[in-house]
Amino acid sequence: ILNVEQSPQSLHVQEGDSTNFTCSFPSSNFYALHWYRWETAKSPEALFVMTLNGDEKKKGRISATLNTKEGYSYLYIKGSQPEDSATYLCAFKDNQGGKLIFGQGTELSVKP
Amino acid sequence: DAGVTQSPTHLIKTRGQQVTLRCSPKSGHDTVSWYQQALGQGPQFIFQYYEEEERQRGNFPDRFSGHQFPNYSSELNVNALLLGDSALYLCASSFIGGRNYGYTFGSGTRLTVV
Repeated sequence: ILNVEQSPQSLHVQEGDSTNFTCSFPSSNFYALHWYRWETAKSPEALFVMTLNGDEKKKGRISATLNTKEGYSYLYIKGSQPEDSATYLCAFKDNQGGKLIFGQGTELSVKP
Repeated sequence: DAGVTQSPTHLIKTRGQQVTLRCSPKSGHDTVSWYQQALGQGPQFIFQYYEEEERQRGNFPDRFSGHQFPNYSSELNVNALLLGDSALYLCASSFIGGRNYGYTFGSGTRLTVV
C-alpha cells in the first residue's frame, strides 16, 4: 500500500505570514511529485511537477523542494495573502503507470 | 481554450440505480483519468484511459467501468449504486508523454446516492 501523507491538515495564518507544508511519500519507484492548489468550487490547479531529487521550483511567492531519497517535499508560501486560501494537495506518481496517489491535503486559511 | 469539461455538475440517484458521468479532456490531451473524492479525503484513483483502453486501475469494484472514445472524451459508469458511492468525481486529462506537466482537472460531478 502506497501512502502519501500531508501535514498539517489545516493552517490558519494572518496576511503577511510565511508558511510551509510537508508531503511525505514512498521513496521507492519514484517518477514524479505533483503539487495542486484547489480553491473551493473550482478545479484543482497544477502548481508544480517535480521529477528530480533536489528539484526546487518557484512560481511567484510559492516555492517547493523535493527530496526523493528520504521521500518528502516542502511547499513554501512567502507573505501569505487572502487569495492564497485554498487546499494544497500533493500527489505521488510511481514508475508503474499513470495514477496519482494523493495526500489528504492541507487546508490553508489566510485572514486579512 | 476550454480546459476539462465534466457533466453533469450535480446528480442525485437512488440506491441500486446506474449512473454515467462524462468528461471532455483539454485540447491536445490524449489520456483521461477518473478520481473519487469522499469528504475529508484526497482524491482516490479509479482508472485511467489511453488509446481507448483502460491503462491502469485503482482499488475499485467492477461496478465501476469506463470508456474512452476516439475523440479522447470519456465516460465513467457506476452500476448498482450504494450510499457509499456518494462523492465528488473528478476527471483529469493529460498528455501521455508529458512527465513534467501536471494534470488538468475538471470541476467534478457531485453524486449523491439516496
